[in-house]
Amino acid sequence: KQEVTQIPAALSVPEGENLVLNCSFTDSAIYNLQWFRQDPGKGLTSLLLIQSSQREQTSGRLNASLDKSSGRSTLYIAASQPGDSATYLCAVNTGTASKLTFGTGTRLQVTL
Amino acid sequence: NAGVMQNPRHLVRRRGQEARLRCSPMKGHSHVYWYRQLPEEGLKFMVYLQKENIIDESGMPKERFSAEFPKEGPSILRIQQVVRGDSAAYFCASAGRATNEKLFFGSGTQLSVL
Repeated sequence: KQEVTQIPAALSVPEGENLVLNCSFTDSAIYNLQWFRQDPGKGLTSLLLIQSSQREQTSGRLNASLDKSSGRSTLYIAASQPGDSATYLCAVNTGTASKLTFGTGTRLQVTL
Repeated sequence: NAGVMQNPRHLVRRRGQEARLRCSPMKGHSHVYWYRQLPEEGLKFMVYLQKENIIDESGMPKERFSAEFPKEGPSILRIQQVVRGDSAAYFCASAGRATNEKLFFGSGTQLSVL
């Protein structure tokens, strides 16, 4: 059974800092891994999708890496801004049909 | 280019009543997924549907819960005889293909059972 863990559970940083969020998963036989952002009371916004054959994906100030063999992914956020404050979720797809297993998230607060 | 639409946003029910949650996938998407987020817990997969077919309902409670995705109209998640433990945020997601594609999520329905 796939289990996904995210560390830390919560993080507070001053504006402008670079930061790394961690995700680990127990079953390395994955199809892809996806990072989402969830704002309070709202749905999920997909940030980056990394296929199992890829090592990293970049979008603007975000960079996600994948080390499938060790069961780890990181989300790197450069030059953090208060608007980045949200909960960040990691989810892995280990079967067909895009059925995702989610971590419990990292709650990020970027302060002025 | 509307995204995944869920309604209602908030639903209040008394114990024993029925709850119906609706989800319209993104245009052109024929794969729909329902997830549940209990307070202080992560999102858990419930069911995966294609038009007129339930493909995987391994995450769905065996009793009181059902889902459908008819040929015409939105997908419906139905909870009969709701109990307080059903209080949660229910999210719908859609995809254009079954595998290796991003899932696009709706804003969710917050169900509160009194």
